[in-house]
Amino acid sequence: DAKTTQPPSMDCAEGRAANLPCNHSTISGNEYVYWYRQIHSQGPQYIIHGLKNNETNEMASLIITEDRKSSTLILPHATLRDTAVYYCIVRPGNKLVFGAGTILRVKS
Amino acid sequence: SQTIHQWPATLVQPVGSPLSLECTVEGTSNPNLYWYRQAAGRGLQLLFYSVGIGQISSEVPQNLSASRPQDRQFILSSKKLLLSDSGFYLCAWGGQLSSTGELFFGEGSRLTVL
Repeated sequence: DAKTTQPPSMDCAEGRAANLPCNHSTISGNEYVYWYRQIHSQGPQYIIHGLKNNETNEMASLIITEDRKSSTLILPHATLRDTAVYYCIVRPGNKLVFGAGTILRVKS
Repeated sequence: SQTIHQWPATLVQPVGSPLSLECTVEGTSNPNLYWYRQAAGRGLQLLFYSVGIGQISSEVPQNLSASRPQDRQFILSSKKLLLSDSGFYLCAWGGQLSSTGELFFGEGSRLTVL
């Protein structure tokens, strides 16, 4: 299974862009990169996913490097409600295996 | 639209007592179903997943078991709870491999074993 590496925590000022990195150097050619977040005491929430092209939706943008060994989740204008644990996951088959994630603290 | 329900939301049980957590999904058929556990201050641990009725894959050896008696019903059980079974249990559903792979989570069941 491809593993991911994320920084344990990051701080971001309210209104600024939050850039969350993820390394997945052992990713296979057909494995997608998924991002979820978990706000305290709630179930994880899907944010975005991608294979090799950059993706954007109403929540965030996902930038995947050309060699697919790393990616960055971008929250363009972070708010206090974006404070959460962010998980970068490479999906092997039917399973989503969550790592420790990055605790993002958005501060006013 | 699809919905997922878990119950009970909160449970306090003595050590050695049995456990049954139930999860049901509405609005979809033949979903993949998952049980995750999150201990206090820890990450999400995948416990079981199921791709169909009666098909259960166990990810971590433990005193818990899972069953899928119906297409959209997933049950997590234990015959004798341990203190270490305390945690936040989350059920999730997702489509088959050919879909986007997004998982949808229930509201969670918080179990405290005393």
